[in-house]
Amino acid sequence: GAVVSQHPSRVICKSGTSVKIECRSLDFQATTMFWYRQFPKKSLMLMATSNEGSKATYEQGVEKDKFLINHASLTLSTLTVTSAHPEDSSFYICSARDSDRETYNEQFFGPGTRLTVL
Amino acid sequence: DAKTTQPTSMDCAEGRAANLPCNHSTISGNEYVYWYRQIHSQGPQYIIHGLKNNETNEMASLIITEDRKSSTLILPHATLRDTAVYYCIVRVALVLRGGSQGNLIFGKGTKLSVKP
Repeated sequence: GAVVSQHPSRVICKSGTSVKIECRSLDFQATTMFWYRQFPKKSLMLMATSNEGSKATYEQGVEKDKFLINHASLTLSTLTVTSAHPEDSSFYICSARDSDRETYNEQFFGPGTRLTVL
Repeated sequence: DAKTTQPTSMDCAEGRAANLPCNHSTISGNEYVYWYRQIHSQGPQYIIHGLKNNETNEMASLIITEDRKSSTLILPHATLRDTAVYYCIVRVALVLRGGSQGNLIFGKGTKLSVKP
């Protein structure tokens, strides 16, 4: 149980295009999901907290208009990188918090999405 | 959430116990100690967590000092597949529904290399 999937696992796009990454909780409902970014040989950095049915909360320094987050259902959150540039190339990872056990703050991570912007 | 300090890297021989230390001297009473690991190019994997008592599961053991200012993750018989970056994170366990408090803040972790 407690499986989180991400799609796609790897994507290559041209500079200026937009890319959508999906994060799904497969066997549980997630009111809250988190989006992280990881550059090579660096640790994970929290980008934003995604809450179902409301606006996402972004960490300081993360542009909300560039990284659009939509959490329209209890099992799906999407991250759209708009007008992508080579410096947006990174490993994007989501995690989901089980709604039935939310007060216990258990988070489950997806396998990550490798984005390369040419 | 309290800050943690871990060694940058450690080596361990295959089949031996790997002991990974973590200092969290500013931990508060409602914060738990969590351990995750990240194998190269994968998402983090939960290992174990504890409040003040020692904990053991099928993956590892967690030893927390009596003053809770430090802890040690023990992999009893390390294998080559245990090579990964291990993160010690201190955070609250109980959160308000839909709240962002208690989200995971990752430090640099310890890169464990298990060698044959």
